Amino acid sequence: ETGVTQTPRHLVMGMTNKKSLKCEQHLGHNAMYWYKQSAKKPLELMFVYSLEERVENNSVPSRFSPECPNSSHLFLHLHTLQPEDSALYLCASSQGEGTNTGELFFGEGSRLTVL
Amino acid sequence: AQTVTQSQPEMSVQEAETVTLSCTYDTSENNYYLFWYKQPPSRQMILVIRQEAYKQQNATENRFSVNFQKAAKSFSLKISDSQLGDTAMYFCAFMKLLGGSNYKLTFGKGTLLTVNP
Repeated sequence: ETGVTQTPRHLVMGMTNKKSLKCEQHLGHNAMYWYKQSAKKPLELMFVYSLEERVENNSVPSRFSPECPNSSHLFLHLHTLQPEDSALYLCASSQGEGTNTGELFFGEGSRLTVL
Repeated sequence: AQTVTQSQPEMSVQEAETVTLSCTYDTSENNYYLFWYKQPPSRQMILVIRQEAYKQQNATENRFSVNFQKAAKSFSLKISDSQLGDTAMYFCAFMKLLGGSNYKLTFGKGTLLTVNP
């Protein structure tokens, strides 16, 4: 098992669909993140969970809904997305506040295309 | 708010040669971390090297080293003896060392490095 696993790797959806992205980490970390990676733009932090509690919501539209049922799993629920939401969505984990030295461990990403 | 600027969208280098990627940042903080992350094509992003701002000595990791100029807010990455496997997108990132947001990284737009045989 790799450290951080994301599924699906590729997703195509219509604007009226509802889908979810899943992330699982096997590193024993207690902080998890969603980042959006678009071409020619810096990585955008979307959400941060520390010990399963959301500690950061970076002005993300409500059509993106995160869920962290436990410290190993993170979901991003998607509904009524727009074409401009097409991007690579990266999940990451880290040791968490207090012990975090800044190193994030990333998954391979979920490539989302919204038609 | 912190900003990170990578002024070179793309660079190329011949195998075995040395290349330097530039990064500047803007912050009012005195204590922080700086990072270079590497994202190979269709693969996971991984940490290349880390620098604590309170350390004057430049960090090195094998063929990778940084030139950290705190007063100039500059943090360049030097890759020596470039290898084909170094072909990747490289991201410079900034993190505050203390405070409630010490887990929050700010990334630059990235530099696409191609190593040519």
